[in-house]
Amino acid sequence: EAGVTQSPTHLIKTRGQQVTLRCSPISGHTSVYWYQQALGLGLQFLLWYDEGEERNRGNFPPRFSGRQFPNYSSELNVNALELEDSALYLCASSRRQREAKNIQYFGAGTRLSVL
Amino acid sequence: DAKTTQPPSMDCAEGRAANLPCNHSTISGNEYVYWYRQIHSQGPQYIIHGLKNNETNEMASLIITEDRKSSTLILPHATLRDTAVYYCIAVSTGTASKLTFGTGTRLQVTL
Repeated sequence: EAGVTQSPTHLIKTRGQQVTLRCSPISGHTSVYWYQQALGLGLQFLLWYDEGEERNRGNFPPRFSGRQFPNYSSELNVNALELEDSALYLCASSRRQREAKNIQYFGAGTRLSVL
Repeated sequence: DAKTTQPPSMDCAEGRAANLPCNHSTISGNEYVYWYRQIHSQGPQYIIHGLKNNETNEMASLIITEDRKSSTLILPHATLRDTAVYYCIAVSTGTASKLTFGTGTRLQVTL
């Protein structure tokens, strides 16, 4: 069974540009989560999608947005990139939230560098 | 979710058991203890979780004290590939929408 896949693996952008990161969840998982991990820092929760709807959002500005498609894959969009957006962006998926003890499984991440 | 406290670093000789402690003194009755690890520059990997009973799977064992205020993750025969940052987190069953990772324990397995 394939795990969570993210693309691209690495990305270099310049300040002010826009970027789209993609995530495919494990088959059968309906929830997708996005996290940001800046160098030397812990994981910061960004967004949670479940069955196509945004369910929760972390403390990030509106230029961070995303969506979930009918096949449960997801995109994270970041507009007007700033230098401090340089980080590892991680996607995780889990079974539907109504099930107890949902376990989040992570992808390998997309490393974004903003110059 | 309850705050967890872990030592910043630990060393373990290859082949020996690695025992990683975690304090969660304010954990509530509906919060599970989850363990993840993150090998350098990779995504976190789920290891194990438990509520109040001890748990074991192919990766590790989880020992939770009777008062649930602390737990220990045991890697029975550590290998070099187990070198990673290990995170202990408390997660409510009803609000498991986001995981809040602390600084974790950096485990170094040596020859």
